[in-house]
Amino acid sequence: DTAVSQTPKYLVTQMGNDKSIKCEQNLGHDTMYWYKQDSKKFLKIMFSYNNKELIINETVPNRFSPKSPDKAHLNLHINSLELGDSAVYFCASTRATGNSPLHFGNGTRLTVT
Amino acid sequence: QKEVEQNSGPLSVPEGAIASLNCTYSDRVSQSFFWYRQYSGKSPELIMSIYSNGDKEDGRFTAQLNKASQYVSLLIRDSQPSDSATYLCAVRSSSASKIIFGSGTRLSIRP
Repeated sequence: DTAVSQTPKYLVTQMGNDKSIKCEQNLGHDTMYWYKQDSKKFLKIMFSYNNKELIINETVPNRFSPKSPDKAHLNLHINSLELGDSAVYFCASTRATGNSPLHFGNGTRLTVT
Repeated sequence: QKEVEQNSGPLSVPEGAIASLNCTYSDRVSQSFFWYRQYSGKSPELIMSIYSNGDKEDGRFTAQLNKASQYVSLLIRDSQPSDSATYLCAVRSSSASKIIFGSGTRLSIRP
């Protein structure tokens, strides 16, 4: 199936640990994103890559490091996890040109205890 | 001023009535506007896109765009209980790559 897929779906870990979330899209899109959705449902943009190049880096702590090995993959590594990092993280993709909408992955619910 | 603003709700509408959801945006040169529906525990799914001033209809959904007023709305006709969800307005900025979301409006359709 054509889709944006991200793993894992759930991630429970303790403060101070390091964890990664992976995302892959087979839609042929050239731009991929990480969004964070907090408990109030607000979707906040974190990062965007276009053809492996970082083009958007919002005010996100340095503990968050995205990596895009190719335009179909975008991973998110988080160091020294904190309680406030608990949220749902969505990967999304689109075409950079035109009016293409975002296509979302199913989300990763991260719980830091 | 937030880049994309929506009333958080909840908006309660009786079944069969018209639900009206509103959104304003601050970037005057924004080009593309989207409405997403998100059920609890699920990812956002695209309902409507609109790029030109005026109305765009798709089944029970109508999106309306007024670029002069920097306003976009979504009308849901013949509201069904299955329409109960959070509706997210999204705006593609003038930089094209940045897609910003409003905080969402929680819609509840009461039988």
